[in-house]
Amino acid sequence: GNSVTQMEGPVTLSEEAFLTINCTYTATGYPSLFWYVQYPGEGLQLLLKATKADDKGSNKGFEATYRKETTSFHLEKGSVQVSDSAVYFCALRADSGYSTLTFGKGTMLLVSP
Amino acid sequence: NAGVTQTPKFRVLKTGQSMTLLCAQDMNHEYMYWYRQDPGMGLRLIHYSVGEGTTAKGEVPDGYNVSRLKKQNFLLGLESAAPSQTSVYFCASSYLTGGLLGGYTFGSGTRLTVV
Repeated sequence: GNSVTQMEGPVTLSEEAFLTINCTYTATGYPSLFWYVQYPGEGLQLLLKATKADDKGSNKGFEATYRKETTSFHLEKGSVQVSDSAVYFCALRADSGYSTLTFGKGTMLLVSP
Repeated sequence: NAGVTQTPKFRVLKTGQSMTLLCAQDMNHEYMYWYRQDPGMGLRLIHYSVGEGTTAKGEVPDGYNVSRLKKQNFLLGLESAAPSQTSVYFCASSYLTGGLLGGYTFGSGTRLTVV
């Protein structure tokens, strides 16, 4: 079946540090890949997505590139801010029928001033 | 700009009691979903709906029932609550299957405690 594996957190960084959150997936065919962000006390929000191999999704300074050869979709940001503190979820949508999203377990990011 | 609204936001139940969680969306989305979020487990799909009058089981459907009588509403029912159902419940909706175009829109969650 489909699955998503994320690095365990929490990831603790100082403001302006470089961020990488690793995400790898298992799926047949050509899934679409997503990153969602959850701020404290809120629901998840779509951060970025990529629908085919080598696509780069980007939003709010975050980027992730769909690497089919390594089945990965790592999230990166060049300079994090305190306001980026949240839980980040990697997710995939299989490329067949009425497909729902499969989420990873989430990675908490804590950014200190 | 309501989006997805979940009621109630918090609830404490005694073991064996029943309750219904309501999800309402005003975006005319065809697809709706119920997830539960537990520490260390991420989000797991309980049930989903691909249109008015349809429902389907997700990854963890046992102990829950759902109904989609109107396109804008998706109800999650617990007939006999158990402590294992203590969780945060999220409803989501999407325009296309799996949120392919614009992603899922999530509600702000219902925190349920079963004692």
